[in-house]
Amino acid sequence: SQKIEQNSEALNIQEGKTATLTCNYTNYSPAYLQWYRQDPGRGPVFLLLIRENEKEKRKERLKVTFDTTLKQSLFHITASQPADSATYLCALTNFGNEKLTFGTGTRLTIIP
Amino acid sequence: DAGVIQSPRHEVTEMGQEVTLRCKPISGHNSLFWYRQTMMRGLELLIYFNNNVPIDDSGMPEDRFSAKMPNASFSTLKIQPSEPRDSAVYFCASSPRGIGQGDQPQHFGDGTRLSIL
Repeated sequence: SQKIEQNSEALNIQEGKTATLTCNYTNYSPAYLQWYRQDPGRGPVFLLLIRENEKEKRKERLKVTFDTTLKQSLFHITASQPADSATYLCALTNFGNEKLTFGTGTRLTIIP
Repeated sequence: DAGVIQSPRHEVTEMGQEVTLRCKPISGHNSLFWYRQTMMRGLELLIYFNNNVPIDDSGMPEDRFSAKMPNASFSTLKIQPSEPRDSAVYFCASSPRGIGQGDQPQHFGDGTRLSIL
């Protein structure tokens, strides 16, 4: 069966360090992989999209990698700040489809 | 620039009552999605529309759920009759339809927190 797993439910990181979140998938052939941020009581907010033929994408302090051989994406936040504390969701789209399937999310806490 | 607008933000009602959730997508977006989020199951797609036409409703739990999009600026999700297990946060999202499909970010509203007693 198809499955998207994010490495842990919760992750605590010291301020200033790099936070690395993992997204693993099985039985998908994703065309695109997206990362979203969700704050309590709010809807998810889009952060980054990476295509299946791209290895890496960057935006300011954020970096996403996509390894279709390992069936894994890594999401990095460098120089982390308390304001980065939130739940982060990865989501996949298969070829020829607009449907996004979400992982269960990782709740990240940046400790001052 | 207005985002996706959902109403109501909170709804508490008794089992058996009809519930209607409303969504106004971002102007110019062609696709609209309804999701449900619970602690147990995470964020699940219920149904999505493209150009007001339902494309995939395979995530709709059962016949008690129905969704409509009468025009490009409005959609409803209805539950009749409601049950306690329908309690969840319901999100609406919209996106422009990209050439490659699925290569566009989705813009979410802040959801409706539904409690069925």
